[in-house]
Amino acid sequence: EDQVTQSPEALRLQEGESSSLNCSYTVSGLRGLFWYRQDPGKGPEFLFTLYSAGEEKEKERLKATLTKKESFLHITAPKPEDSATYLCAVQANGKLTFGQGTILTVHP
Amino acid sequence: DAMVIQNPRYQVTQFGKPVTLSCSQTLNHNVMYWYQQKSSQAPKLLFHYYDKDFNNEADTPDNFQSRRPNTSFCFLDIRSPGLGDAAMYLCATSRGQGSGAGGYTFGSGTRLTVV
Repeated sequence: EDQVTQSPEALRLQEGESSSLNCSYTVSGLRGLFWYRQDPGKGPEFLFTLYSAGEEKEKERLKATLTKKESFLHITAPKPEDSATYLCAVQANGKLTFGQGTILTVHP
Repeated sequence: DAMVIQNPRYQVTQFGKPVTLSCSQTLNHNVMYWYQQKSSQAPKLLFHYYDKDFNNEADTPDNFQSRRPNTSFCFLDIRSPGLGDAAMYLCATSRGQGSGAGGYTFGSGTRLTVV
């Protein structure tokens, strides 16, 4: 069974304090690893797709990396507007399996 | 803009009273998914349509059904909602299995409350 575990469950940062979120996975036949942002009461918003170990992608203050067992979402100099739940999901066996998310709060 | 639209945004239904949630898309994606997301939990796949082919997850209760009358629309029917069915219901679409930039596109969700 595909499993996705995200840590920490919640993360509180001061504005400008860089950090990383972790997504570890156990899956056979990984087709892709996705990162989404979800604001309260809204659907997930696509951030990145990673396909192979060693791949990296960046968007503004966010950078996602992938190894054979885990992915990291690095947040550099975060701002309060980066506060959200960040979801990781793996695509395998024809479906997308999500982790439970990391709730990020950035204080001014 | 091409998008996935869910209606209504909020739905209150009575215990045991059938309810239908709606999803439409303008992306012309051939695959449509329904996810259930309970508070502070991961979205859980209920079922999906690959073109006209319905694919049910093994642990999806029989209480949940779905219809896809055409490419653009998909409905989630809950035949007899219980208190445990209160959740956010997310519709998503993809082209094929969702590989590639953008992968899966999600709607804003319908928040279901059962009273």
